[in-house]
Formats: sequence, structure tokens, C-alpha cells
Amino acid sequence: DTGVSQNPRHKITKRGQNVTFRCDPISEHNRLYWYRQTLGQGPEFLTYFQNEAQLEKSRLLSDRFSAERPKGSFSTLEIQRTEQGDSAMYLCASSTRSYGWDNEQFFGPGTRLTVL
Amino acid sequence: GQQVMQIPQYQHVQEGEDFTTYCNSSTTLSNIQWYKQRPGGHPVFLIQLVKSGEVKKQKRLTFQFGEAKKNSSLHITATQTTDVGTYFCAGLATNAGKSTFGDGTTLTVKP
Repeated sequence: DTGVSQNPRHKITKRGQNVTFRCDPISEHNRLYWYRQTLGQGPEFLTYFQNEAQLEKSRLLSDRFSAERPKGSFSTLEIQRTEQGDSAMYLCASSTRSYGWDNEQFFGPGTRLTVL
Repeated sequence: GQQVMQIPQYQHVQEGEDFTTYCNSSTTLSNIQWYKQRPGGHPVFLIQLVKSGEVKKQKRLTFQFGEAKKNSSLHITATQTTDVGTYFCAGLATNAGKSTFGDGTTLTVKP
């Protein structure tokens, strides 16, 4: 148990519906990352937060994706008007940041999204 | 932008054989991390390398950071079936805000 939790673990939705995922990081971690992973690929970066500030969002990310971390604790990732190509595992990770380098990321179990 | 490439993409070995995966960055790195993802699981941190030419060992696993801090390798001696999984490197480019993951090397071990 890494201490990062994600809900739901599985989500099946119909194309065009909106979905929201939640991530609860390890409590003292100030960094929170969202990734998307498909079979045979590495984690694809979506966005990340330092405390409540969203520092970077992938340029490849559609405007249908939005993420928040309102109080610097848990985070939500919303996908609007889902498409079949959004089907993937959505991973959340948290870490601390030292000066000059990243510390290890602790990953949650992921939310598997299936868009029918 | 920064690119992190890993080779090979897949490696099939007989139990007891050695295994090596290589990670190459298009830019100089501040540090590099290695993760292992078991089938059906999520990535789990293995190690972090920070210094040029650094070598670290964990039992049968040896990790190396290149002198130019643009490449790294993971070597497993005498593989076991428990080594099965996908090994990812993640590199933090100098002055970058976050690390970039490679696409991983998937290792299968035949008993």
C-alpha cells in the first residue's frame, strides 16, 4: 500500500458523457501528478500540481480535460464529452520536491476508464 | 521538448540469463529514476541516480548513470521469474519542472 488512493477503480461510460476521478495523495506530499497509460506505453504526462497551483498541463491534452486541487490536498480529473480514445488507465502519483531534483513518485492503483 | 527513449521495448530471457535495459535522454538530466511495473499493477519506485557516473546496486540489480548524465542503464544478473514486469526510467531535465517517463522495457522470463 503506497498511501495514494484513487476512486473509482473502474469506470464504464458511454461516449459523450462526463466523468470525474478523484486522487488522494500521501498527506505530506506537495506534488501531485496525473498520467494516462495505455497498454505497452509508459505513463503519459497530463498535468501536475505543486500544492494547489497547477504548474503544467500537457500541450497534447484536449480542452475536454480539466484538473483541480482546490486545497492542495486531493485532486480531481474531469473528462467532458468522453470519446472512445479516452479509454485508458488514469494514474495519479504524489511526491515531494527537493531543490534541484524530483523525489520518488508514489503511484496510486489507477482508475481504468472504458468508453463505450 | 525533452525525449526519453528506452531500448529494447521487449526482452524475453531464460531464467538465469542476464538482462539489460538502456535509457537515453535528448537533454542533460539532473537526476534519473527507475520504476518497475508488474503486470496489472502500477509503477513502483526502485532507485534514483543523481551524480555523473554513479553506480548503485540492489541485490541482483545494478543501476548506472552516464558520465554525461544523458543516459542510464539497469542490469539484472541471473534473472528470476519474480523479475517479470516493465521497467521505466524517468528523467528530470536540467531546469525542467518535472520528470519525463520513457516507454519502458517489458521483461518476460521463461522458467
